[in-house]
Amino acid sequence: ETAVFQTPNYHVTQVGNEVSFNCKQTLGHDTMYWYKQDSKKLLKIMFSYNNKQLIVNETVPRRFSPQSSDKAHLNLRIKSVEPEDSAVYLCASSTGLGGLYEQYFGPGTRLTVL
Amino acid sequence: GDSVTQMQGQVTLSEDDFLFINCTYSTTWYPTLFWYVQYPGEGPQLLLKVTTANNKGISRGFEATYDKGTTSFHLQKASVQESDSAVYYCVLGLSNYNVLYFGSGTKLTVEP
Repeated sequence: ETAVFQTPNYHVTQVGNEVSFNCKQTLGHDTMYWYKQDSKKLLKIMFSYNNKQLIVNETVPRRFSPQSSDKAHLNLRIKSVEPEDSAVYLCASSTGLGGLYEQYFGPGTRLTVL
Repeated sequence: GDSVTQMQGQVTLSEDDFLFINCTYSTTWYPTLFWYVQYPGEGPQLLLKVTTANNKGISRGFEATYDKGTTSFHLQKASVQESDSAVYYCVLGLSNYNVLYFGSGTKLTVEP
């Protein structure tokens, strides 16, 4: 099956802990992204990677860091989570770099920070 | 600057009603326009895509026409079904920039 896979589906943690989310795509795409979706369904781009190189880093807090081992994997680490980090984190991929390409999304990881 | 505006946060219809979701965009570049749909518990998925070369897109009974004069890209469907209940995003893509601009989303609820 070719798709974008994310683990875990859900994660509940306490303020100050470190969390890590995984994303893998089997579509053979060169570009991957992380988005944050808040409770109002607003989608905000956080990072994009092309062939393991960071292309866009929107103004996200420094406690967020993307990690890529190869072009099929893009993980997201959050050091010392805060309550406002509660959201759904969506991973996506596309064949090319640029705003002309369809993006394929995973199902998301829902983070709850207590 | 480059942006997308969806004014309707929520739309509630009955089955077989006509659907119209507003979208306007702002850019000085040549746009590619998308509608994405997000069903509960899933990530967004492409519904349709339109470029300046082909100014109308049709998919699964939905259609959207790119109007450069009014900078609009409204989504329409003649007869909605309960299974169309989802969040719909109008999205702007630009060749000179590496990300997509998502609108704020319109939650469609179709009642049986």
